[in-house]
Amino acid sequence: GAVVSQHPSWVICKSGTSVKIECRSLDFQATTMFWYRQFPKQSLMLMATSNEGSKATYEQGVEKDKFLINHASLTLSTLTVTSAHPEDSSFYICSASPSTSGSYEQYFGPGTRLTVT
Amino acid sequence: QKEVEQDPGPLSVPEGAIVSLNCTYSNSAFQYFMWYRQYSRKGPELLMYTYSSGNKEDGRFTAQVDKSSKYISLFIRDSQPSDSATYLCAMSGNQGAQKLVFGQGTRLTINP
Repeated sequence: GAVVSQHPSWVICKSGTSVKIECRSLDFQATTMFWYRQFPKQSLMLMATSNEGSKATYEQGVEKDKFLINHASLTLSTLTVTSAHPEDSSFYICSASPSTSGSYEQYFGPGTRLTVT
Repeated sequence: QKEVEQDPGPLSVPEGAIVSLNCTYSNSAFQYFMWYRQYSRKGPELLMYTYSSGNKEDGRFTAQVDKSSKYISLFIRDSQPSDSATYLCAMSGNQGAQKLVFGQGTRLTINP
């Protein structure tokens, strides 16, 4: 149980284009999902907290107009990187917290590697 | 000073050894403590989850939390080459869901 998927697993795009990454909780409902980015050999950096049916909460320094987050259902959140640039190349990971657990567990997706050329 | 400090290693030990991984933290509001294992190019996998102080054991893994010292540990007994990964400690407070603050991660290699 507690499986989170991400799609695509990797993507290469040209500078200036937009890329959408999907995060799905496969066997549980998640009121809250989180988006992280991770640079090589570094820890995870929280970008934003996504709550179903409401606007995402972005961490300081994260451009909300560049990283668009939509959490339209209890099992799906999407991250769209708009007008991507090479410096946006990174490993993007989502996590989901079960709605009914009453706990503070987060289950992570396998990540999406974005390369902007 | 970072909220959570973790020695990035790398740490290399022979197969069968007992491994000790540690994190210190500065925020006394943290109540939930987790250890994640991350293989290269994969998402983190939840290993252990502890609330407040105390010990928790799961197979070869033991998590310890000492809130008075703001220090948490993960012990791996009878380490196996398949345990080679990056181990991340994470913690959160007691206010809703549930921003995690991660340590830098420790790269562990178990040598056959």
